[in-house]
Amino acid sequence: EAGVAQSPRYKIIEKRQSVAFWCNPISGHATLYWYQQILGQGPKLLIQFQNNGVVDDSQLPKDRFSAERLKGVDSTLKIQPAKLEDSAVYLCASSHGQGARETQYFGPGTRLLVL
Amino acid sequence: GENVEQHPSTLSVQEGDSAVIKCTYSDSASNYFPWYKQELGKRPQLIIDIRSNVGEKKDQRIAVTLNKTAKHFSLHITETQPEDSAVYFCAASYTGGFKTIFGAGTRLFVKA
Repeated sequence: EAGVAQSPRYKIIEKRQSVAFWCNPISGHATLYWYQQILGQGPKLLIQFQNNGVVDDSQLPKDRFSAERLKGVDSTLKIQPAKLEDSAVYLCASSHGQGARETQYFGPGTRLLVL
Repeated sequence: GENVEQHPSTLSVQEGDSAVIKCTYSDSASNYFPWYKQELGKRPQLIIDIRSNVGEKKDQRIAVTLNKTAKHFSLHITETQPEDSAVYFCAASYTGGFKTIFGAGTRLFVKA
């Protein structure tokens, strides 16, 4: 079974620029998560989708971050404009169902550096 | 709000010794506790999980214990090997929502 795919793997931008990340979950997984992992910390949930609907986006900085999953499969996360503190690894994960007990499978992450 | 605290932040053991990582959670409604291992530059991977209806679960050299009264759960690794060196994250999920809250991580070094 193919795993969660993410691109790009690395991105370097200057502050105030825009950036977008892409995620393709495991086939058949209804739930998709975007996490932000700052160096030395655990992953922090930014947004969770169930099919193409948002389940939780309470920790998404909506003034600069946006995400969509229009067809209920792959997803994009955008930052506009980026700040220095956005430097982190952005992890995408997927699970078969929606419940909190579902095993989450993580992608390799996109490492973002904002200069 | 929901919170998961994890200790220690760094743990160094000699090969063959045991390692114990402890977590506490704040929401008594939590009922699912996964543990993830993240090797340097790689993705987190689930290594073991426990649900609130059991107190202990074991899988070869790793085990997890849960004390719901004290809101503590722990990861135990026996006969540690150099390839166990990684960052380990505990997590708790809340039945009031669908969010999984992660601890800050423990960096485990196993010295050969």
